[in-house]
Amino acid sequence: AQSVTQLDSHVSVSEGTPVLLRCNYSSSYSPSLFWYVQHPNKGLQLLLKYTSAATLVKGINGFEAEFKKSETSFHLTKPSAHMSDAAEYFCVVSETSNFGNEKLTFGTGTRLTIIP
Amino acid sequence: DAGVTQSPTHLIKTRGQQVTLRCSPKSGHDTVSWYQQALGQGPQFIFQYYEEEERQRGNFPDRFSGHQFPNYSSELNVNALLLGDSALYLCASSLNPPFGELFFGEGSRLTVL
Repeated sequence: AQSVTQLDSHVSVSEGTPVLLRCNYSSSYSPSLFWYVQHPNKGLQLLLKYTSAATLVKGINGFEAEFKKSETSFHLTKPSAHMSDAAEYFCVVSETSNFGNEKLTFGTGTRLTIIP
Repeated sequence: DAGVTQSPTHLIKTRGQQVTLRCSPKSGHDTVSWYQQALGQGPQFIFQYYEEEERQRGNFPDRFSGHQFPNYSSELNVNALLLGDSALYLCASSLNPPFGELFFGEGSRLTVL
């Protein structure tokens, strides 16, 4: 079974400084990986996805992630944090069955706090 | 264009009772998945419905059941509620296959007393 491990449960950064949210994955073959964001009292939203094309993936709101097979990592970054980035972030791996349907396996989440 | 809508948003039940949660998918989507998110945890996959059939299921007991209607809307039923069933229940809709891109509703928060 595939899994993801989010290395930090809570990250705090000052507004305008870089953001790094770390994620390692475990998979027996080339995985599909995603980052989702959950703002308070809001539904989950897809930030970006990696599906074996370019290893550097750009998402919404200035976020990007780099797939590193040698390190089994898929860390999420942003050059400059904004107050609106405060939320819970989930690293996600997709498992596809022989019938084409898939289920998502979520990490435990990283809460990002932005300090004014 | 309405996104995924869920009802009710909040509800309180007592142990042993039964609950039904409802979900209307985003327009054009034919696949509905349900996830359970306990406090402080990531969502966990319950099951997925496509063409009115349960297509895949996570590690949840048979007390959890569902249904998909011809208009693609879906229900999640939980029987014999336990305290541990208290959680946020998320519905997600997608195209088939979804390629990981799910659209989530804001969830139904269930409290079991």
